[in-house]
Amino acid sequence: SAVISQKPSRDICQRGTSLTIQCQVDSQVTMMFWYRQQPGQSLTLIATANQGSEATYESGFVIDKFPISRPNLTFSTLTVSNMSPEDSSIYLCSVAAQQETQYFGPGTRLLVL
Amino acid sequence: EDQVTQSPEALRLQEGESSSLNCSYTVSGLRGLFWYRQDPGKGPEFLFTLYSAGEEKEKERLKATLTKKESFLHITAPKPEDSATYLCAVENAGNMLTFGGGTRLMVKP
Repeated sequence: SAVISQKPSRDICQRGTSLTIQCQVDSQVTMMFWYRQQPGQSLTLIATANQGSEATYESGFVIDKFPISRPNLTFSTLTVSNMSPEDSSIYLCSVAAQQETQYFGPGTRLLVL
Repeated sequence: EDQVTQSPEALRLQEGESSSLNCSYTVSGLRGLFWYRQDPGKGPEFLFTLYSAGEEKEKERLKATLTKKESFLHITAPKPEDSATYLCAVENAGNMLTFGGGTRLMVKP
């Protein structure tokens, strides 16, 4: 399975600011995803990061709030914009080769004050 | 809409006390059912993929089974290090995962 890293591992931010989270994979993968896991909850898919084109967002998530980049097959970023305390969550990236198992990164723990 | 329901939400076992976790699902075009383990503060760790009813997979003290409506994760003679949250997810025809709420397992020595 791929080795996935995320930066930062955790952060504490002030409301109204933005944070960019990086996801790096040690091999080329077809698909990359971003999830949110709110405290005590399970995982919710935010969007699919598409290489060379705009991300595909799930219902309830919009590009202005969660802009995503994927410049190549091993790297993606998720920005959480204009943060509020409700954005305090763990943000996880996952990767998959085409039609194969998704593997998850270690997550980024975000606390917004 | 795809739905996954896991039960119980929390389970306390004594070391060596075997039990099962349940995952009930409805999905349009099941491509696979996945079990993950998640430790506090970490990302989910992949355990098993099941593709069709009747399929079973084993890994150490864990055994996963699948029917057309549900999956079970059987834990035989658990140890304290098996304590974690176990997540079930289904993948639909569009390669999207839907997760259940998880079962928090605590194994006491």
